[in-house]
Amino acid sequence: GALVYQYPRRTICKSGTSMRMECQAVGFQATSVAWYRQSPQKTFELIALSTVNSAIKYEQNFTQEKFPISHPNLSFSSMTVLNAYLEDRGLYLCGAAQGATEVFFGKGTRLTVV
Amino acid sequence: QQQVRQSPQSLTVWEGETAILNCSYENSAFDYFPWYQQFPGEGPALLISILSVSNKKEDGRFTIFFNKREKKLSLHIADSQPGDSATYFCAAVNQGGSAKLIFGEGTKLTVSS
Repeated sequence: GALVYQYPRRTICKSGTSMRMECQAVGFQATSVAWYRQSPQKTFELIALSTVNSAIKYEQNFTQEKFPISHPNLSFSSMTVLNAYLEDRGLYLCGAAQGATEVFFGKGTRLTVV
Repeated sequence: QQQVRQSPQSLTVWEGETAILNCSYENSAFDYFPWYQQFPGEGPALLISILSVSNKKEDGRFTIFFNKREKKLSLHIADSQPGDSATYFCAAVNQGGSAKLIFGEGTKLTVSS
């Protein structure tokens, strides 16, 4: 079956520091990977979409300078939250698309900033 | 602007009843609608989905009814079980192999025994 693993599951970082999270698709080749942030106030916010053979596209309010993403192959993606502050708290989810429609999510990385 | 809306925000049903969760959307270009089930502390799990060329999709106790003209769809959970208690998200996407989903704000379902 198609699985998406995210690591770490949870992390705590000091305000102003950075943390990196990883996403791996297992059992399928992800034609595109999207990173989301889920918070109690704003449901799912799309951060960026990475598609094979295309540049990574960031949504409004999210930048490469703040959330750099690496997508070296069809199975692996990583994202770093640079200079994290309180407003960056939330559950970061990686969604990987298999084929033309289905998108599978990992369990997420919960970021706490102190 | 919220492109995908869900109602109610929360819903409580008794065990064995049918839970009905509603979803509507604005963009006529959306043509694929997955529903996700999320338990606390977990990521969303794909539950069932429908393409806009269909008006009904069944998978066990879960059924999607889709009305393209009215831009509405609903998820029916028959014979609800306490284990179905979770938050359900309706999402929409332009078909094309993209992981870019537009999510609704979710319906929190509680099944009481």
